[in-house]
Amino acid sequence: DIQMTQSPSSLSASVGDRVTITCRASQDIRNELGWYQQKPGKAPKRLIYAASSLQSGVPSRFSGSGSGTEFTLTISSLQPEDVATYYCLQHNNHPFTFGPGTKVDV
Amino acid sequence: QVQLVQSGAEVKKPGASVKLSCKASGYTLSIYYIHWVRQAPGQGLEWLGIINPSAGSTRYAQKLQGRVTMTRDTSTSTVYMELSSLRSEDTAIYYCARGVEVAAVRHSPPDYWGQGTLVTVSS
Repeated sequence: DIQMTQSPSSLSASVGDRVTITCRASQDIRNELGWYQQKPGKAPKRLIYAASSLQSGVPSRFSGSGSGTEFTLTISSLQPEDVATYYCLQHNNHPFTFGPGTKVDV
Repeated sequence: QVQLVQSGAEVKKPGASVKLSCKASGYTLSIYYIHWVRQAPGQGLEWLGIINPSAGSTRYAQKLQGRVTMTRDTSTSTVYMELSSLRSEDTAIYYCARGVEVAAVRHSPPDYWGQGTLVTVSS
């Protein structure tokens, strides 16, 4: 199985800060990675697909990059409503696997 | 608008089985894969498996092999996931989520998600 790791596991930043979350895969997954935002008590929400494509309706302060084994999710200017846990998901190979999550506080 | 509506909360005893449903609306069920994902209390997301509602074919996480069965009823646009021999560690919120079109060459991460079903396993 492909193992996904994320760093950091949690972070606290100020409103307006630039925030970067890293996801690493245990083997090459090309660009077959998505990013999700999950707020407490809610279902996950897709932010990014194909590593860098922004989901329709998602604010442009969110961006994704990377390919192969290393990927990043960037929030260019953190907002209070971005408090959530963020997960990456690889869909290159079965079984699909999520990263352990990064909790973001403001 | 695309919606996935899941069945209500369940409380089961260890060793029992549970069958969850996920009813799709706003699109044709058979055109898109459906994933199942769960989240134990305070934990991360765990991918459980996927069903092609057109063919009925499935892929399951190795961890659940032999205990999980995903099926569909295209006449009611509903997908089901049955989990047997329940254990306390199966206590979680179970989500269904829409994947890529079944005709696609490669998968993509699920876009639309159900509201989740809480399954509690307790004696």
